[in-house]
Amino acid sequence: TQLLEQSPQFLSIQEGENLTVYCNSSSVFSSLQWYRQEPGEGPVLLVTVVTGGEVKKLKRLTFQFGDARKDSSLHITAAQPGDTGLYLCAGVFGNQFYFGTGTSLTVIP
Amino acid sequence: DAGITQSPRYKITETGRQVTLMCHQTWSHSYMFWYRQDLGHGLRLIYYSAAADITDKGEVPDGYVVSRSKTENFPLTLESATRSQTSVYFCASSDLGVGLETQYFGPGTRLLVL
Repeated sequence: TQLLEQSPQFLSIQEGENLTVYCNSSSVFSSLQWYRQEPGEGPVLLVTVVTGGEVKKLKRLTFQFGDARKDSSLHITAAQPGDTGLYLCAGVFGNQFYFGTGTSLTVIP
Repeated sequence: DAGITQSPRYKITETGRQVTLMCHQTWSHSYMFWYRQDLGHGLRLIYYSAAADITDKGEVPDGYVVSRSKTENFPLTLESATRSQTSVYFCASSDLGVGLETQYFGPGTRLLVL
């Protein structure tokens, strides 16, 4: 059983479309991070959210941490081919660090 | 060059053999981590180290051994490789642990156990 479930697992969209990726858990996390991983490389940190209800924007990417700190979402506006990659949420529960199952995004030109 | 490197990048071995994956970082980060990445499971933490000579188990430590005699190196050993250990292995480092700090990942080692 995964502590952090992401949906959808796979997403293929046309350039210019909007999309939302979800990261859900039944457990409360003190903070959540979002990473992006490109093929053949390690994940790279995009953002860290700490406060319940927090919203952070990074250019066309908007990250939200749920009020109860059990879930998070990543919204991409006007997706571009450069957004293609694997998006991973991650957080600390207890004294362990867990990654989500991942969402593989393909943006078609 | 500064950064975090892993070697080898690709490895094929046979069941029962011992394999050691190397990880080296040049930032003098206190924390280092080993993850494995498998389809459908995301990344799972195998072991981590808070400092030289301090290591602790992660989510999936069985079948793996680590050591950290020097701050910059964190080798991962599979003492007797099994097919279920076929995976992509990532090493990472951070300055102050996880959760709020950035983890910097290496490029990964792709391991195939026949």
